[in-house]
Amino acid sequence: GDSVTQMEGPVTLSEEAFLTINCTYTATGYPSLFWYVQYPGEGLQLLLKATKADDKGSNKGFEATYRKETTSFHLEKGSVQVSDSAVYFCALSDRSNDYKLSFGAGTTVTVRA
Amino acid sequence: GAVVSQHPSRVICKSGTSVKIECRSLDFQATTMFWYRQFPKQSLMLMATSNEGSKATYEQGVEKDKFLINHASLTLSTLTVTSAHPEDSSFYICSARDSVNSNQPQHFGDGTRLSIL
Repeated sequence: GDSVTQMEGPVTLSEEAFLTINCTYTATGYPSLFWYVQYPGEGLQLLLKATKADDKGSNKGFEATYRKETTSFHLEKGSVQVSDSAVYFCALSDRSNDYKLSFGAGTTVTVRA
Repeated sequence: GAVVSQHPSRVICKSGTSVKIECRSLDFQATTMFWYRQFPKQSLMLMATSNEGSKATYEQGVEKDKFLINHASLTLSTLTVTSAHPEDSSFYICSARDSVNSNQPQHFGDGTRLSIL
């Protein structure tokens, strides 16, 4: 079945540092890939997505590229801010699984001033 | 703005009480909604898929009689935690998928923190 494996962390960074969170997946079909962000006490917000190989999703300075050859969708940001402190979830959905979302374990990121 | 509204955001009640949580899609129709449970510092666990006009589909290990789901309209699904006990305390999150644009990402509610005393 479908599954997502992501770096669990926690990750602690200084402001303006470079952030990478690794995410790899297994899927039977051709999934869409997502990164969601969860701020303390809140639900999930879609950060970015990619629906096919070589697509690059980007939003708020974050980027991730759908790499079919390595089955990866690593999240990157060149210069993080304190406001980026949150939990980040990698996820996939697959038509063959009725578009149910499969989530990674989540990575807690703390950015210090 | 929020496209999925989840209510209430927080509930504190006594053991044995039944609690209803609502999930509404605000500007799209959702024949399918999803209910998740999240324990502290953990990922989301899919509990069930709510289908408008038909029975919900529960994931393995989720008690149907404990977590009643009703999806009576294209914009509303409810989750009722029946006779709640302290072990049911958790963060419950719903999501909805646009029926017309089914390949679009699911939209999530802000979650309901349930605390059973």
